[in-house]
Amino acid sequence: DADVTQTPRNRITKTGKRIMLECSQTKGHDRMYWYRQDPGLGLRLIYYSFDVKDINKGEISDGYSVSRQAQAKFSLSLESAIPNQTALYFCATSDAPGAGLGDEQFFGPGTRLTVL
Amino acid sequence: SQQGEEDPQALSIQEGENATMNCSYKTSINNLQWYRQNSGRGLVHLILIRSNEREKHSGRLRVTLDTSKKSSSLLITASRAADTASYFCATGDDYKLSFGAGTTVTVRA
Repeated sequence: DADVTQTPRNRITKTGKRIMLECSQTKGHDRMYWYRQDPGLGLRLIYYSFDVKDINKGEISDGYSVSRQAQAKFSLSLESAIPNQTALYFCATSDAPGAGLGDEQFFGPGTRLTVL
Repeated sequence: SQQGEEDPQALSIQEGENATMNCSYKTSINNLQWYRQNSGRGLVHLILIRSNEREKHSGRLRVTLDTSKKSSSLLITASRAADTASYFCATGDDYKLSFGAGTTVTVRA
């Protein structure tokens, strides 16, 4: 079974709809991240969480919100989807770093979201 | 804004040849990592090099880091068709990674 799973894998929705993307992990990691990927732009960080009570904005958090329901679950919501939120969304996890050094991240398979 | 920028944007090579791609970044880092992404799938970690290291090897991968020039290179030796993918550098600080836009590598049989 995959260590980091995302649901749904594909979603088509309409402008103005509320959408929730879910991420679950079995790696036992404290840190979880949400990224979006657009063609030619690489990955951009939306939100990240270091534990259940910690939520931090990334570089492109406007229009998104998150919920860390448990150590293993981190959900991303689009309150009112718009077409320019059409993208590939990835969840990732990492262990708490030692000596202040960021460690490798483990990625889920991605959710392809299309907003019409 | 993105921290790392890869060069070239795309690379096409013959199977068996070496592939080299570069990454430049702007601010000081704790480490630099390279990831691979096969078409539309999740990223897979390849190698991490810390700011006090200059070179690191892992199988057919060789990574160098020059902190004075704020640049890194990834060399894939003896390429295979399975190496066809996009490769991303990511710079790490205490809290998170910042990714570049990636280099798309195509290995021709």
